[in-house]
Amino acid sequence: SAVISQKPSRDICQRGTSLTIQCQVDSQVTMMFWYRQQPGQSLTLIATANQGSEATYESGFVIDKFPISRPNLTFSTLTVSNMSPEDSSIYLCSVGASGRVSSTDTQYFGPGTRLTVL
Amino acid sequence: AQKVTQAQTEISVVEKEDVTLDCVYETRDTTYYLFWYKQPPSGELVFLIRRNSFDEQNEISGRYSWNFQKSTSSFNFTITASQVVDSAVYFCALSEAQDTDKLIFGTGTRLQVFP
Repeated sequence: SAVISQKPSRDICQRGTSLTIQCQVDSQVTMMFWYRQQPGQSLTLIATANQGSEATYESGFVIDKFPISRPNLTFSTLTVSNMSPEDSSIYLCSVGASGRVSSTDTQYFGPGTRLTVL
Repeated sequence: AQKVTQAQTEISVVEKEDVTLDCVYETRDTTYYLFWYKQPPSGELVFLIRRNSFDEQNEISGRYSWNFQKSTSSFNFTITASQVVDSAVYFCALSEAQDTDKLIFGTGTRLQVFP
Protein backbone atom coordinates (compact mmCIF):
# COMPACT_ATOMS: atom_id res chain seq x y z
CA SER A 1 0.00 0.00 0.00
CA ALA A 2 1.04 3.61 -0.50
CA VAL A 3 2.66 5.58 2.30
CA ILE A 4 0.62 8.68 2.99
CA SER A 5 1.68 11.62 5.12
CA GLN A 6 -0.26 14.67 6.22
CA LYS A 7 0.80 18.05 7.55
CA PRO A 8 0.11 19.39 10.05
CA SER A 9 -0.74 16.48 12.31
CA ARG A 10 -2.74 18.80 14.52
CA ASP A 11 -3.44 22.48 14.90
CA ILE A 12 -5.41 24.89 17.02
CA CYS A 13 -6.80 27.83 15.08
CA GLN A 14 -8.80 30.93 15.74
CA ARG A 15 -12.29 31.47 14.41
CA GLY A 16 -12.34 33.22 11.02
CA THR A 17 -8.90 32.04 9.91
CA SER A 18 -8.04 29.41 7.29
CA LEU A 19 -5.86 26.34 7.44
CA THR A 20 -4.32 24.40 4.57
CA ILE A 21 -3.73 20.70 5.09
CA GLN A 22 -1.23 18.89 2.92
CA CYS A 23 -1.36 15.27 1.82
CA GLN A 24 1.70 13.62 0.28
CA VAL A 25 1.82 10.13 -1.22
CA ASP A 26 4.97 8.17 -1.98
CA SER A 27 3.66 6.98 -5.36
CA GLN A 28 1.61 8.43 -8.17
CA VAL A 29 -2.12 8.04 -7.73
CA THR A 30 -4.97 9.10 -9.98
CA MET A 31 -7.43 10.14 -7.36
CA MET A 32 -7.19 11.32 -3.80
CA PHE A 33 -10.03 11.71 -1.36
CA TRP A 34 -10.64 14.04 1.55
CA TYR A 35 -12.76 13.01 4.53
CA ARG A 36 -13.95 14.75 7.65
CA GLN A 37 -14.51 13.06 10.98
CA GLN A 38 -16.29 15.24 13.49
CA PRO A 39 -15.73 14.45 17.18
CA GLY A 40 -17.16 11.07 18.06
CA GLN A 41 -18.61 10.68 14.58
CA SER A 42 -18.01 8.59 11.52
CA LEU A 43 -16.14 9.63 8.40
CA THR A 44 -17.81 11.69 5.72
CA LEU A 45 -16.40 12.19 2.25
CA ILE A 46 -15.79 15.86 1.47
CA ALA A 47 -14.52 15.62 -2.09
CA THR A 48 -12.64 13.61 -4.66
CA ALA A 49 -9.53 15.23 -6.13
CA ASN A 50 -8.50 14.16 -9.60
CA GLN A 51 -5.23 15.50 -10.93
CA GLY A 52 -5.74 18.03 -13.68
CA SER A 53 -9.41 18.72 -13.05
CA GLU A 54 -11.65 20.37 -10.52
CA ALA A 55 -12.43 18.45 -7.38
CA THR A 56 -15.83 16.84 -7.09
CA TYR A 57 -17.65 17.79 -3.89
CA GLU A 58 -20.21 15.76 -2.00
CA SER A 59 -23.54 17.14 -0.98
CA GLY A 60 -23.15 19.60 1.87
CA PHE A 61 -19.60 20.62 0.99
CA VAL A 62 -18.70 23.57 -1.24
CA ILE A 63 -15.54 24.74 -2.91
CA ASP A 64 -15.59 28.16 -1.25
CA LYS A 65 -15.41 26.55 2.18
CA PHE A 66 -13.10 23.64 1.29
CA PRO A 67 -10.95 24.56 -1.71
CA ILE A 68 -8.78 21.69 -2.88
CA SER A 69 -5.67 21.70 -5.02
CA ARG A 70 -4.17 18.73 -6.86
CA PRO A 71 -1.07 20.04 -8.63
CA ASN A 72 0.46 16.64 -9.36
CA LEU A 73 -0.05 12.92 -8.92
CA THR A 74 1.51 12.69 -5.47
CA PHE A 75 0.18 15.75 -3.66
CA SER A 76 -3.03 17.47 -2.66
CA THR A 77 -4.11 20.20 -0.29
CA LEU A 78 -7.40 20.88 1.45
CA THR A 79 -8.07 24.33 2.86
CA VAL A 80 -10.62 24.87 5.57
CA SER A 81 -11.70 28.48 5.10
CA ASN A 82 -13.20 31.01 7.48
CA MET A 83 -13.20 28.46 10.25
CA SER A 84 -15.74 28.17 13.04
CA PRO A 85 -15.76 25.82 16.04
CA GLU A 86 -18.04 23.49 14.05
CA ASP A 87 -15.08 22.78 11.76
CA SER A 88 -13.21 21.12 14.61
CA SER A 89 -12.62 17.64 13.24
CA ILE A 90 -10.07 15.17 12.04
CA TYR A 91 -9.41 15.62 8.35
CA LEU A 92 -8.08 12.59 6.49
CA CYS A 93 -6.89 12.06 2.97
CA SER A 94 -6.99 8.69 1.27
CA VAL A 95 -5.83 7.06 -1.94
CA GLY A 96 -6.68 3.85 -3.74
CA ALA A 97 -4.41 0.85 -3.48
CA SER A 98 -3.71 0.55 -7.17
CA GLY A 99 -3.08 4.18 -7.85
CA ARG A 100 -5.77 4.17 -10.49
CA VAL A 101 -8.62 4.00 -8.02
CA SER A 102 -11.78 2.37 -9.18
CA SER A 103 -14.73 1.06 -7.29
CA THR A 104 -12.82 -2.14 -6.73
CA ASP A 105 -9.98 -0.39 -5.00
CA THR A 106 -9.25 -0.42 -1.32
CA GLN A 107 -8.68 3.04 0.09
CA TYR A 108 -5.76 3.64 2.39
CA PHE A 109 -5.76 6.59 4.70
CA GLY A 110 -3.28 9.14 5.87
CA PRO A 111 -2.67 9.69 9.60
CA GLY A 112 -5.14 12.57 9.73
CA THR A 113 -4.99 16.21 10.80
CA ARG A 114 -6.65 16.98 14.10
CA LEU A 115 -8.07 20.49 13.91
CA THR A 116 -9.45 22.45 16.84
CA VAL A 117 -11.09 25.82 16.20
CA LEU A 118 -11.50 28.17 19.14
CA ALA B 1 -30.18 4.02 -0.59
CA GLN B 2 -26.91 2.74 0.73
CA LYS B 3 -26.36 2.57 4.44
CA VAL B 4 -24.11 0.88 6.98
CA THR B 5 -25.35 0.23 10.50
CA GLN B 6 -23.17 -0.61 13.45
CA ALA B 7 -25.67 -0.91 16.26
CA GLN B 8 -23.07 -1.41 18.99
CA THR B 9 -21.68 1.98 19.92
CA GLU B 10 -19.35 0.70 22.60
CA ILE B 11 -18.23 -2.72 23.83
CA SER B 12 -16.09 -3.48 26.84
CA VAL B 13 -14.40 -6.82 27.39
CA VAL B 14 -11.65 -8.25 29.50
CA GLU B 15 -8.50 -9.51 27.87
CA LYS B 16 -8.71 -12.99 26.32
CA GLU B 17 -12.45 -12.73 25.79
CA ASP B 18 -13.83 -13.18 22.29
CA VAL B 19 -15.82 -10.27 20.91
CA THR B 20 -17.97 -9.84 17.80
CA LEU B 21 -18.61 -6.50 16.17
CA ASP B 22 -21.78 -6.36 14.11
CA CYS B 23 -22.23 -4.68 10.75
CA VAL B 24 -25.43 -4.58 8.70
CA TYR B 25 -25.53 -2.92 5.32
CA GLU B 26 -28.12 -1.79 2.80
CA THR B 27 -27.57 -1.47 -0.91
CA ARG B 28 -29.52 -1.88 -4.13
CA ASP B 29 -26.40 -2.66 -6.09
CA THR B 30 -25.63 -6.28 -6.90
CA THR B 31 -21.91 -5.57 -6.97
CA TYR B 32 -20.48 -3.98 -3.88
CA TYR B 33 -17.55 -4.12 -1.52
CA LEU B 34 -17.39 -4.28 2.25
CA PHE B 35 -14.53 -3.13 4.44
CA TRP B 36 -13.42 -3.04 8.03
CA TYR B 37 -11.07 -0.36 9.32
CA LYS B 38 -9.51 0.09 12.74
CA GLN B 39 -8.94 3.53 14.27
CA PRO B 40 -6.72 3.37 17.35
CA PRO B 41 -6.52 6.32 19.76
CA SER B 42 -3.76 7.86 17.66
CA GLY B 43 -6.37 8.56 14.99
CA GLU B 44 -5.07 6.91 11.86
CA LEU B 45 -7.38 4.60 9.96
CA VAL B 46 -5.95 1.13 9.42
CA PHE B 47 -7.35 -1.12 6.70
CA LEU B 48 -8.22 -4.62 7.92
CA ILE B 49 -10.17 -6.39 5.18
CA ARG B 50 -12.11 -6.01 1.96
CA ARG B 51 -14.79 -8.38 0.72
CA ASN B 52 -16.65 -8.26 -2.59
CA SER B 53 -20.30 -9.21 -2.92
CA PHE B 54 -19.56 -12.37 -4.87
CA ASP B 55 -17.32 -13.87 -2.25
CA GLU B 56 -19.19 -15.09 0.80
CA GLN B 57 -16.36 -17.20 2.04
CA ASN B 58 -15.49 -16.40 5.62
CA GLU B 59 -11.97 -15.27 6.30
CA ILE B 60 -9.59 -15.75 9.18
CA SER B 61 -6.44 -13.78 9.77
CA GLY B 62 -4.74 -14.64 13.02
CA ARG B 63 -7.09 -13.67 15.83
CA TYR B 64 -9.41 -11.86 13.42
CA SER B 65 -12.24 -13.48 11.51
CA TRP B 66 -15.02 -12.16 9.36
CA ASN B 67 -18.45 -13.63 8.66
CA PHE B 68 -20.13 -12.36 5.50
CA GLN B 69 -23.79 -13.38 5.03
CA LYS B 70 -25.66 -11.88 2.09
CA SER B 71 -28.93 -13.44 3.28
CA THR B 72 -28.90 -11.17 6.32
CA SER B 73 -26.83 -8.34 4.76
CA SER B 74 -24.29 -8.67 7.51
CA PHE B 75 -20.51 -8.57 7.66
CA ASN B 76 -19.53 -9.28 11.24
CA PHE B 77 -16.05 -9.12 12.70
CA THR B 78 -14.83 -11.36 15.51
CA ILE B 79 -11.70 -10.89 17.56
CA THR B 80 -10.62 -14.04 19.36
CA ALA B 81 -8.70 -13.83 22.62
CA SER B 82 -8.82 -10.04 22.64
CA GLN B 83 -5.84 -7.99 23.76
CA VAL B 84 -5.46 -4.49 25.15
CA VAL B 85 -3.92 -3.41 21.83
CA ASP B 86 -7.22 -4.22 20.15
CA SER B 87 -8.78 -1.23 21.88
CA ALA B 88 -9.90 1.09 19.11
CA VAL B 89 -12.88 2.28 17.15
CA TYR B 90 -13.78 -0.14 14.38
CA PHE B 91 -15.57 1.03 11.26
CA CYS B 92 -17.45 -1.02 8.74
CA ALA B 93 -17.77 0.54 5.29
CA LEU B 94 -19.46 -0.10 1.96
CA SER B 95 -18.71 0.94 -1.60
CA GLU B 96 -20.92 0.27 -4.58
CA ALA B 97 -19.93 -0.37 -8.16
CA GLN B 98 -22.45 2.19 -9.39
CA ASP B 99 -21.08 5.02 -7.29
CA THR B 100 -17.42 4.62 -7.85
CA ASP B 101 -14.92 5.19 -5.12
CA LYS B 102 -17.27 6.51 -2.48
CA LEU B 103 -16.92 4.78 0.87
CA ILE B 104 -19.97 4.84 3.11
CA PHE B 105 -18.97 4.36 6.71
CA GLY B 106 -20.94 3.08 9.63
CA THR B 107 -20.90 5.05 12.86
CA GLY B 108 -18.23 2.84 14.36
CA THR B 109 -17.98 0.61 17.42
CA ARG B 110 -15.64 1.59 20.22
CA LEU B 111 -13.99 -1.51 21.67
CA GLN B 112 -12.30 -1.29 25.03
CA VAL B 113 -10.26 -4.24 26.17
CA PHE B 114 -9.31 -4.19 29.82
CA PRO B 115 -6.39 -6.11 31.27
